[in-house]
Amino acid sequence: DVKVTQSSRYLVKRTGEKVFLECVQDMDHENMFWYRQDPGLGLRLIYFSYDVKMKEKGDIPEGYSVSREKKERFSLILESASTNQTSMYLCASSFRVSSGELFFGEGSRLTVL
Amino acid sequence: QKEVEQDPGPLSVPEGAIVSLNCTYSNSAFQYFMWYRQYSRKGPELLMYTYSSGNKEDGRFTAQVDKSSKYISLFIRDSQPSDSATYLCAMTGTASKLTFGTGTRLQVTL
Repeated sequence: DVKVTQSSRYLVKRTGEKVFLECVQDMDHENMFWYRQDPGLGLRLIYFSYDVKMKEKGDIPEGYSVSREKKERFSLILESASTNQTSMYLCASSFRVSSGELFFGEGSRLTVL
Repeated sequence: QKEVEQDPGPLSVPEGAIVSLNCTYSNSAFQYFMWYRQYSRKGPELLMYTYSSGNKEDGRFTAQVDKSSKYISLFIRDSQPSDSATYLCAMTGTASKLTFGTGTRLQVTL
């Protein structure tokens, strides 16, 4: 079974802190994604990556950056956390986007105080 | 207007009922259509995948796509309490990224 592991299920941070969310997948997938999920807004794509050291902006990249130094690992960075970044963050990977099959991690619920 | 519209619910049905979940979309370039199921405090998981128009059946689940009306549906027959979850539609065109609906929360009661 494909496994996407997110390092932290629950985090509480203060405004202005730097936050790292880590994601690891074990199926050698080329594509990896970071989404945030908010009530009434659904899943919104923050960043995605088609290959190592490659990144593309999604729909809401402002306030975020990413890093993909190894194929299996995709990190989301909040350089200076703000309260409007309180959300559920979901990492996903896929072999081919057109297959429609994204494998999601269990999510990281971030609260910024 | 959002590219994908989905009624958020909640939708509450008795066990054994037939459930119909729907999404409408505006982008005629979409040709791959999916339904994901998300249990509380879990990530979404792919439930059904359909390419272009038509029906696809998998056990108690049927996915239907009507591209002429820009309308997709998911039917659940003989619904069970274990079907209680949020159902998200998703779609893509040229295989760049998925666009998700906001999700419909379904509750199947005993």
